[in-house]
Amino acid sequence: NAGVTQTPKFQVLKTGQSMTLQCAQDMNHNSMYWYRQDPGMGLRLIYYSASEGTTDKGEVPNGYNVSRLNKREFSLRLESAAPSQTSVYFCASALTRQYEQYFGPGTRLTVT
Amino acid sequence: AQSVAQPEDQVNVAEGNPLTVKCTYSVSGNPYLFWYVQYPNRGLQFLLKYITGDNLVKGSYGFEAEFNKSQTSFHLKKPSALVSDSALYFCAVRGGSNYQLIWGAGTKLIIKP
Repeated sequence: NAGVTQTPKFQVLKTGQSMTLQCAQDMNHNSMYWYRQDPGMGLRLIYYSASEGTTDKGEVPNGYNVSRLNKREFSLRLESAAPSQTSVYFCASALTRQYEQYFGPGTRLTVT
Repeated sequence: AQSVAQPEDQVNVAEGNPLTVKCTYSVSGNPYLFWYVQYPNRGLQFLLKYITGDNLVKGSYGFEAEFNKSQTSFHLKKPSALVSDSALYFCAVRGGSNYQLIWGAGTKLIIKP
């Protein structure tokens, strides 16, 4: 039981490049989330998916898109990376109505 | 709107002493409250939660938290700190939607030998 896995662990992009961050969970959770973590700002929700087939914007969705590919997988895409998107990105999952979220190890992204 | 505050950016405690990490909240309705810990270069780990029941909640690694409705607080505590408790601690509250948590900014806990 691997829990929540994320790939890649590290990535360096040039401004304007695109990439997709992958997330998968094997806990049969319904809800999945993408956060970014910046120093002194805690966690900010980018997008979430309450269930397979649905996605909703969080607090900071601009510049990102998501896909809930199936119940297990939830990807985050940066179409045209900007230096302001330099951050650590975390994926999380939860059983609906259980509220506690389980986190992946994170992806450290640098945009130059 | 739901919100949560962690008033201390950093807490320093000597090993063996009791520790407290503070959290206050503002919610409409019944609060669902959480504590998470983040070790360096790791994802967040769930420590404990309060939904209903006893005001003193016990969690992982010897941590506990006290829910105080009148003071709208949910402070994290441990009777005797370990150096290995040094980490970043986050308080969270259930958001307006069933699917979201609202996060505090985090408190860095440093335990000195």
